[in-house]
Amino acid sequence: QSALTQPASVSGSPGQSITISCTGTSSDVGGYNYVSWYQQHPGKAPKLMIYEVSNRPSGVSNRFSGSKSGNTASLTISGLQAEDEADYYCSSYTSSSTLWVFGGGTKLTVL
Amino acid sequence: QVQLVQSGAEVKKPGASVKVSCKASGYTFTSYGISWVRQAPGQGLEWMGWISAYNGNTNYAQKLQGRVTMTTDTSTSTAYMELRSLRSDDTAVYYCARKRGYSFDYWGQGTLVTVSS
Repeated sequence: QSALTQPASVSGSPGQSITISCTGTSSDVGGYNYVSWYQQHPGKAPKLMIYEVSNRPSGVSNRFSGSKSGNTASLTISGLQAEDEADYYCSSYTSSSTLWVFGGGTKLTVL
Repeated sequence: QVQLVQSGAEVKKPGASVKVSCKASGYTFTSYGISWVRQAPGQGLEWMGWISAYNGNTNYAQKLQGRVTMTTDTSTSTAYMELRSLRSDDTAVYYCARKRGYSFDYWGQGTLVTVSS
């Protein structure tokens, strides 16, 4: 069982917006502004999409945005495109001896 | 450009050890840490630990304490991850990733480690 809880799947049509949630506790998501989001296409390495809750690395489309409220972080993808179809993982720094935890991943399907 | 290039796939028997390498280029190696993350077949990501390339300090995931060792060779800008006493549930793709602040901004291509008798 993953430390952070994500929906197993979400879907949307091209051009629509979707949001993926990531729920943790006050020891991880709620306690730090150190939530990251990663995109992973099949057979590929993960790619950093959002860091420190809401910051986008250089080169990542501004269609991707992040936010946090309490113990839940969210990734929103606007203007869905076929290339966005992938698995998405959240991650948070944590106060436990295992310093980082990941969510179980969310499969995004673009209909 | 930043690149992390990992060693090739490995097949090991239960009880054996494996050592995976991760050669960095395109940045000052000692300015960032290297983290290791694994992914079992069809499963999610699992953080294993990280090492400071600056001073060699390490932090390991609690469940792997005692079985994993992470090291670096600054002369070749290479990080290593050794996992001992391998079990079938250690079968996974192992990734190295550059740690920047509290996220992992560049990833290696992954190394498949298969544990099978």
